[in-house]
Amino acid sequence: DQQVKQNSPSLSVQEGRISILNCDYTNSMFDYFLWYKKYPAEGPTFLISISSIKDKNEDGRFTVFLNKSAKHLSLHIVPSQPGDSAVYFCAASARSGSARQLTFGSGTQLTVLP
Amino acid sequence: EPEVTQTPSHQVTQMGQEVILRCVPISNHLYFYWYRQILGQKVEFLVSFYNNEISEKSEIFDDQFSVERPDGSNFTLKIRSTKLEDSAMYFCASTGSSLNYGYTFGSGTRLTVV
Repeated sequence: DQQVKQNSPSLSVQEGRISILNCDYTNSMFDYFLWYKKYPAEGPTFLISISSIKDKNEDGRFTVFLNKSAKHLSLHIVPSQPGDSAVYFCAASARSGSARQLTFGSGTQLTVLP
Repeated sequence: EPEVTQTPSHQVTQMGQEVILRCVPISNHLYFYWYRQILGQKVEFLVSFYNNEISEKSEIFDDQFSVERPDGSNFTLKIRSTKLEDSAMYFCASTGSSLNYGYTFGSGTRLTVV
């Protein structure tokens, strides 16, 4: 069941340049989207989120874009830093009951080269 | 910064044995979750817990699994009779009333069933 897909398992970018991570989803009931970063032997760390009523949300070096008609979202990191090297997960949520579960993509390994 | 604490970090158990994975969520959070990640696979939802009861559970969360919040601070996941395929990283997470700040995940417990 591939409701959330990250088609690029890995991405390499030079330090200072832009990193663009992509995510596609199929479930039109998703109304909230999140990006997480994960280092080895640690839990996922929340980065940024966006509600389906918006098409852009920005927080410092991180910007998430949502294209609902294409069921596509992307995370832009500008400028990229070596410390950004990690696995990035896209996650989506649909309101169902009192709590919200997240459906994760398979992740993209970002490597920022110095 | 508040964090979700999970113990132990690594648990090795024999097939058929019971294990209890422990979590201390962030104190003022309302929703509690367990997720797991089998090596090389996606992070998968197991169960959500709100107001002292299960809110939702996935099809992975069968009768072998149970959750409990025994004392108002701990949140536990019990696997009654472990199978080899239960080997995975288990992540506890908690969140407040809004997803604006995402979930806060713990560092995980690596469960190895031998």
